[in-house]
Amino acid sequence: GESVGLHLPTLSVQEGDNSIINCAYSNSASDYFIWYKQESGKGPQFIIDIRSNMDKRQGQRVTVLLNKTVKHLSLQIAATQPGDSAVYFCAEKKGGDDKIIFGKGTRLHILP
Amino acid sequence: DAGVIQSPRHEVTEMGQEVTLRCKPISGHNSLFWYRQTMMRGLELLIYFNNNVPIDDSGMPEDRFSAKMPNASFSTLKIQPSEPRDSAVYFCASSSPYGYTFGSGTRLTVV
Repeated sequence: GESVGLHLPTLSVQEGDNSIINCAYSNSASDYFIWYKQESGKGPQFIIDIRSNMDKRQGQRVTVLLNKTVKHLSLQIAATQPGDSAVYFCAEKKGGDDKIIFGKGTRLHILP
Repeated sequence: DAGVIQSPRHEVTEMGQEVTLRCKPISGHNSLFWYRQTMMRGLELLIYFNNNVPIDDSGMPEDRFSAKMPNASFSTLKIQPSEPRDSAVYFCASSSPYGYTFGSGTRLTVV
């Protein structure tokens, strides 16, 4: 069945270092992937997305990598800042479908 | 743009009572989604509407849950009767072809 698998670990990163958050998905029919950031008391906020015809996309301080062969998605955050502390979710969408299915999230903790 | 507006922000109710959660999507967004978030299950899609019509309600847990979208600017999620296991944060999101926007959620506690 459809699933986006992400165990809920906590990733602790020193301020200024780079962070890498990983995600595995199981639905090979998914063709659109999104990373969301959720801060305490708020709803998920869009960070960056990627379509299945790409393997890398860069934004401001963030990069998403997609490996369709092993159904793996990652989010890289450069020069991590205290404001990056949040729970990060990957999500997937199948072509022709409006709904987005979320993984379970990873908490990013920034060490001073 | 005020974003997706949900009310109330917090709701505490006794088991067996009816609970109604409200959502105002972003004007012009054609799709509306209700999600439930818990530590155990993460973000679960309950139901979504496209042009006010329910498209997929396969995530609705049971008959105690119902959702309506009487017009393009308003949706409700109702739980009747509520149970302690319904305690969660309920998010509404609306979308356009350019992406999803989430509301700030309603934290529901059923005691």
